[in-house]
Amino acid sequence: DGGITQSPKYLFRKEGQNVTLSCEQNLNHDAMYWYRQDPGQGLRLIYYSQIVNDFQKGDIAEGYSVSREKKESFPLTVTSAQKNPTAFYLCASSQHLGNYGYTFGSGTRLTVV
Amino acid sequence: KQEVTQIPAALSVPEGENLVLNCSFTDSAIYNLQWFRQDPGKGLTSLLLIQSSQREQTSGRLNASLDKSSGRSTLYIAASQPGDSATYLCAPGASDDYKLSFGAGTTVTVRA
Repeated sequence: DGGITQSPKYLFRKEGQNVTLSCEQNLNHDAMYWYRQDPGQGLRLIYYSQIVNDFQKGDIAEGYSVSREKKESFPLTVTSAQKNPTAFYLCASSQHLGNYGYTFGSGTRLTVV
Repeated sequence: KQEVTQIPAALSVPEGENLVLNCSFTDSAIYNLQWFRQDPGKGLTSLLLIQSSQREQTSGRLNASLDKSSGRSTLYIAASQPGDSATYLCAPGASDDYKLSFGAGTTVTVRA
């Protein structure tokens, strides 16, 4: 079945450590997105990518980095510069950027210890 | 910046009642609007997508209306079931860059 796979489901980060969240899709979608969700708030866009080797900052990109070397993969790195990284991270994809429905992964819960 | 408000924040109803979930947004220059469902600790599932030129969209027991000029969308769920218990999120897509803005959601509990 086609879909988006996020791993790991749970991740623990020590202070000052970089961690990478994985997102893989087999839907042949061009556009991919990373969102952050905090309790009681809506999703906020971190980064998005329209095509391979291209990505754009979203509303809260500081302290995060991404790469898009393959169409299927859009990993997110949470760097030590992100001072409040504890949150639920969601990856999504759509056929193209724009007038298309989104497919979401099941999320990664990141906790700072 | 698009601001999205969903009212009520939480709703509890007995099984069989019809549900009405409201979404308002401040910038009417949208390309489309999507409604999603989120179960606890899970990702989002797309329910309905309404184009800006449409007034409503239907799928089974779900019906969503859109009044772009007044910045409102409403999700109706007919004959609610315990399996409808979840958080429902509304997300208008901007007409210039297509990015979605999300509300905080309405958490629905349907009591058996």
